[in-house]
Amino acid sequence: NAGVTQTPKFRILKIGQSMTLQCTQDMNHNYMYWYRQDPGMGLKLIYYSVGAGITDKGEVPNGYNVSRSTTEDFPLRLELAAPSQTSVYFCASSPPRGRTYEQYFGPGTRLTVT
Amino acid sequence: RKEVEQDPGPFNVPEGATVAFNCTYSNSASQSFFWYRQDCRKEPKLLMSVYSSGNEDGRFTAQLNRASQYISLLIRDSKLSDSATYLCVVAHTGNQFYFGTGTSLTVIP
Repeated sequence: NAGVTQTPKFRILKIGQSMTLQCTQDMNHNYMYWYRQDPGMGLKLIYYSVGAGITDKGEVPNGYNVSRSTTEDFPLRLELAAPSQTSVYFCASSPPRGRTYEQYFGPGTRLTVT
Repeated sequence: RKEVEQDPGPFNVPEGATVAFNCTYSNSASQSFFWYRQDCRKEPKLLMSVYSSGNEDGRFTAQLNRASQYISLLIRDSKLSDSATYLCVVAHTGNQFYFGTGTSLTVIP
């Protein structure tokens, strides 16, 4: 299993540009998540999905959109990039809840908006 | 009020020392608790889940105090490889996880 993969690893955007961060998992997990982590800060949830076709907002959804057409893929779309979106973006997945439900993270995408 | 609060440290300890981290959470309805480890510029990885009865995994012991709404992590016999940031994570009844800002640990030779 590759686990959770994210592309690209790094990206520099100009203000106002758009891009899609890709996330794929091969563990057949129902739940998927997008987080951002600013320097010295904890992870903040942007959007999450409990299954194909179902998405919901997290703490900081403004400026982002998601879709979940398949179990494996959960892309994050940035429209009209702003400097405040400079961050490290992590995608994660987890199996259905049981006694423990670990989140598995991808390696992250480092995004700079200038 | 933040959902999860941690002392950011840094904690600088010699090899072999015992070190403890605490974390408090604000929502009394929280149901699941975790400690994650994050190495510099890497993704977080689960260190251990935290159960009401407390749990131990080798040199690591986690405790949960629901009445006071805090979680602790104890690391015994610290190794150089334990140097990392330790993230306290809390989940409510839904599917949202809340992360603390992390506590930085450096183990010194």
